[in-house]
Amino acid sequence: SAVISQKPSRDICQRGTSLTIQCQVDSQVTMMFWYRQQPGQSLTLIATANQGSEATYESGFVIDKFPISRPNLTFSTLTVSNMSPEDSSIYLCSGGLAGGTVINEQFFGPGTRLTVL
Amino acid sequence: GQQVMQIPQYQHVQEGEDFTTYCNSSTTLSNIQWYKQRPGGHPVFLIQLVKSGEVKKQKRLTFQFGEAKKNSSLHITATQTTDVGTYFCAGEDSNYQLIWGAGTKLIIKP
Repeated sequence: SAVISQKPSRDICQRGTSLTIQCQVDSQVTMMFWYRQQPGQSLTLIATANQGSEATYESGFVIDKFPISRPNLTFSTLTVSNMSPEDSSIYLCSGGLAGGTVINEQFFGPGTRLTVL
Repeated sequence: GQQVMQIPQYQHVQEGEDFTTYCNSSTTLSNIQWYKQRPGGHPVFLIQLVKSGEVKKQKRLTFQFGEAKKNSSLHITATQTTDVGTYFCAGEDSNYQLIWGAGTKLIIKP
């Protein structure tokens, strides 16, 4: 299994500013993902964080708004840029192994609760 | 695009009653995973089903994967207060990404 930590756990930000969320895994994982979850809703995948290369973004999410870095197998950052109140949400980082016969479960960080005023 | 539909959205039960949530995919899945999210918490992995027709049990929880690998269900027998939370199914696509169902919130009536 893997333990994932995220920081900050929560933040209140002014519109037009940017926030960088950090995600640290305690063991090497193949895949790292960033999700957004509105309260009471399902998870929406923002992007897959790729080690040493540009992230792969889902439809509706772009690099200019959500730049992502993953310099090594255990660390990733997500920046929410030029924030507006619509960006208020919980942002979750996850990691997992992939492929072959392993169980492909994803381990989730505790989330970052972002409020934009 | 690929979708996973999950019903019901909510289920209210008396403690001791059973609970079931269902997922249906528009396409064949390589596997399906189930997660539980407690109120205020993050999703926690419960199980992965890979084989057609597979049935797995974890104590009071029974998970099934359909013969066509397009549908799945989670059944909880004799619910307890510790079962409260939202249960998500997630189908894995060919890029190892999870396609999440909307979740079913289990509410225990007082």
